[in-house]
Amino acid sequence: DFQMTQSPSSLSASVGDRVTITCQASQDIRNYLNWYQQKPGKAPKLLIYDASNLETGVPSRFSGSGSGTHFTLTISSLQPEDIATYYCQHFDHLPFTFGGGTKVAIK
Amino acid sequence: EVQLVESGGGLVQPGGSLRLSCSASGFTFSDHYMDWVRQAPGKGLEWVGRARNKASSYTTDYGASADGRFTISRDDSKNSLYLEINSLKTEDTAVYYCVREPDHTFAFDVWGQGALVTVSS
Repeated sequence: DFQMTQSPSSLSASVGDRVTITCQASQDIRNYLNWYQQKPGKAPKLLIYDASNLETGVPSRFSGSGSGTHFTLTISSLQPEDIATYYCQHFDHLPFTFGGGTKVAIK
Repeated sequence: EVQLVESGGGLVQPGGSLRLSCSASGFTFSDHYMDWVRQAPGKGLEWVGRARNKASSYTTDYGASADGRFTISRDDSKNSLYLEINSLKTEDTAVYYCVREPDHTFAFDVWGQGALVTVSS
């Protein structure tokens, strides 16, 4: 069975810290990997598409990298408004699976 | 303004049926593939399924949770997407989001506010 493994499941960092979230696919998904941010009580928001493309209007402190089976989302300098849960999601084949999520908190 | 607005959520008894609607505005609805994504309380996101556009013959795809009980349809004349769920189970309790796929890549770039469906006796 295909798996999308996201890590860590939660993290706590200080304002200004560099934060990295990883997503591992159990098989090659090329670059068909997106990242979403979900704040409490809100709908998710697209941050990164096709592994490394920044969605319009998303701050440049967010970046994505990777291809094949290993992907990362990086926040270069964590801001208080970045408190949220982050999800990866693939579009390589059906069904379009999401990772389990990473909850980011401020230390 | 690009917008998706879901309606039709509520409390339903196990075994019952429900039809969610999503009204789109601010973009050419007929050009886009449209999807449903759900989120159980306190849990992660789960893709439910998609309806392709007219150019792709309005075909549909479903996630594993659908198991024949979910039907996605669309009416381009009304800029609307629908999700019908039959034989509802308690595990179908979730917020159901209507989402748009952009025309330049595979992603979910516009999300509705969500409709809560609670399955309980």
